[in-house]
Amino acid sequence: GENVEQHPSTLSVQEGDSAVIKCTYSDSASNYFPWYKQELGKRPQLIIDIRSNVGEKKDQRIAVTLNKTAKHFSLHITETQPEDSAVYFCAASLILGNTPLVFGKGTRLSVIA
Amino acid sequence: DSGVTQTPKHLITATGQRVTLRCSPRSGDLSVYWYQQSLDQGLQFLIQYYNGEERAKGNILERFSAQQFPDLHSELNLSSLELGDSALYFCASSAEAASGNTIYFGEGSWLTVV
Repeated sequence: GENVEQHPSTLSVQEGDSAVIKCTYSDSASNYFPWYKQELGKRPQLIIDIRSNVGEKKDQRIAVTLNKTAKHFSLHITETQPEDSAVYFCAASLILGNTPLVFGKGTRLSVIA
Repeated sequence: DSGVTQTPKHLITATGQRVTLRCSPRSGDLSVYWYQQSLDQGLQFLIQYYNGEERAKGNILERFSAQQFPDLHSELNLSSLELGDSALYFCASSAEAASGNTIYFGEGSWLTVV
């Protein structure tokens, strides 16, 4: 089955700097890669996703890149703000597949003002 | 608000006891998922139901069981509770059964076993 590794487990950046979180997956058939943000004590919420037919997707300060050959994808947050502080989870699955999302173990991002 | 409703929000119970966690999916969603989140752990998939039928099973213990009712709400039953079962249990829902659809999480049920 699919296995998703996520690094780093914790990340501290200064406000205004960029943050990058990386994930690798094991199943080359996976083609759907969402990212979820979980604020302290709250539910995970989808912030961006990418499908394997594109290599990059942007939404304001957030971007995700995908390298299918290397089986890794990354989340990039630019101009970080204190409200970006949260735990970020990557996930992978096969669109129209029978297995649900497999999540990484999460990255705790702290943005220092 | 994701539209997924979970009850109770908090629950404290003793070892050996049994509890039931309840979930109402978003209006129109047919698929329900249960995830367990322990301290410093990721989101561990437990089980998925689609339109009343079990669709996928993850690392769910034999002491745990779930079902989805005709009105599409779901219940997760945890029995013979152990200290290690203390965790945040999330329910999530999506419109379809297959992966690739956005899943929406509820606020979670905090279970503390003492």
